[in-house]
Amino acid sequence: SQKIEQNSEALNIQEGKTATLTCNYTNYSPAYLQWYRQDPGRGPVFLLLIRENEKEKRKERLKVTFDTTLKQSLFHITASQPADSATYLCVFPWGFDMRFGAGTRLTVKP
Amino acid sequence: NAGVTQTPKFQVLKTGQSMTLQCAQDMNHNSMYWYRQDPGMGLRLIYYSASEGTTDKGEVPNGYNVSRLNKREFSLRLESAAPSQTSVYFCASSEGGQDEQFFGPGTRLTVL
Repeated sequence: SQKIEQNSEALNIQEGKTATLTCNYTNYSPAYLQWYRQDPGRGPVFLLLIRENEKEKRKERLKVTFDTTLKQSLFHITASQPADSATYLCVFPWGFDMRFGAGTRLTVKP
Repeated sequence: NAGVTQTPKFQVLKTGQSMTLQCAQDMNHNSMYWYRQDPGMGLRLIYYSASEGTTDKGEVPNGYNVSRLNKREFSLRLESAAPSQTSVYFCASSEGGQDEQFFGPGTRLTVL
């Protein structure tokens, strides 16, 4: 069956470093995927969408890659700040709707 | 422009009680969704409404019913609450089926 895995439940990094979060999928070939940010006690907020033919997408300090051969997406935050601390979710289309990974909780320490 | 609103924010029920969670959006979106979020499991789709007048089951529909009251409003009903339904419930909306989704603030439900 189809499966989405976000490799780390939690990731701790120092302010100013680059955070890299991983999302893997199996038995599936999505045409695109999305990344969302979720803060405690709040609903997820959309960040980026990348299509299978785009390989890389950037938005300010955020960068997403999509490797259909490895069946993997990487989400990077450069020059990380404590305000980037949150849970980040990768999301794939599934029929009409979307399927969410369990998320990676990122903590950026000052 | 409030986006997606949900009521109530918190609710405690006893096993067997019923309740309705309300959701409204003011973005004129066609599609609306109900998710539940449990620790370590990510968001799971309960029901969705692709457009006004239609509803369909998602990944975990058992024990729930929904009503798409009009284009703005989409409610979720628990007819006979069970402890397994203790969760955080999110409503979301989008322009179309696989577009960016906008989420409400969530309802934290505890069933004793």
